[in-house]
Amino acid sequence: DIVMTQSPDSLAVSLGERATINCKSSQSVLYSTNNKKFLAWYQQKPGQPPKLLISWASTRESGVPDRFSGSGSGTDFSLTISSLQAEDVAVYYCQQFYSFPITFGQGTRLEIK
Amino acid sequence: EAQLVESGGAVVQPGGSLRLSCAASGFTFDDYTMHWVRQAPGKALEWVSLISWDGGNAYYADSVRGRFTISRDNSKNSLYLHMNSLTTEDTALYYCVRTDSGSYNDAFDIWGQGTMVTVSS
Repeated sequence: DIVMTQSPDSLAVSLGERATINCKSSQSVLYSTNNKKFLAWYQQKPGQPPKLLISWASTRESGVPDRFSGSGSGTDFSLTISSLQAEDVAVYYCQQFYSFPITFGQGTRLEIK
Repeated sequence: EAQLVESGGAVVQPGGSLRLSCAASGFTFDDYTMHWVRQAPGKALEWVSLISWDGGNAYYADSVRGRFTISRDNSKNSLYLHMNSLTTEDTALYYCVRTDSGSYNDAFDIWGQGTMVTVSS
């Protein structure tokens, strides 16, 4: 199984500041044939289901604010919020969909400092 | 608007069985691979199972293989999860989820609100 490890477990950032969440996979999730990275990021607010923010490591979903961005290589990825807003308080998960079983990171709780 | 609505969650005794249902609307259901994902209280997300668009292929997490069965009825735009031999470890909110294409290997773009399964004596 591919183990997804996020860091940090929790993060407190001031409004308007940058927040970066990291995700490391135990194996590469890069499919070399098409150079696609099978990695997604989700945002989960209290009492709500997760919401897809970014797929293929860096493709922002329609309607997701452009302050959210994703980057990374075959095993090391990051989600960056360029200017934290109050509504960004949530738990963020990375996910690999490269191989079965599909696995998620343990989550990173993002709060306002 | 694409929507998924789960039902069937309940309190059940250890060793018991339950069937969860998911009603899909707002999209062509049989174009998509579908999944169940669960989340124990205060815990991370855990993928449970997927089923191909035509129901011909299914995959399971090791933790549920042999006890859970995923199925679908495309004529009813519905997804199901049959759960047997339930243990307290199965206590979780169960989400019905759509893959962002017909492929098995894609992100999860539509989530239901979830249905709660509590296994307790």
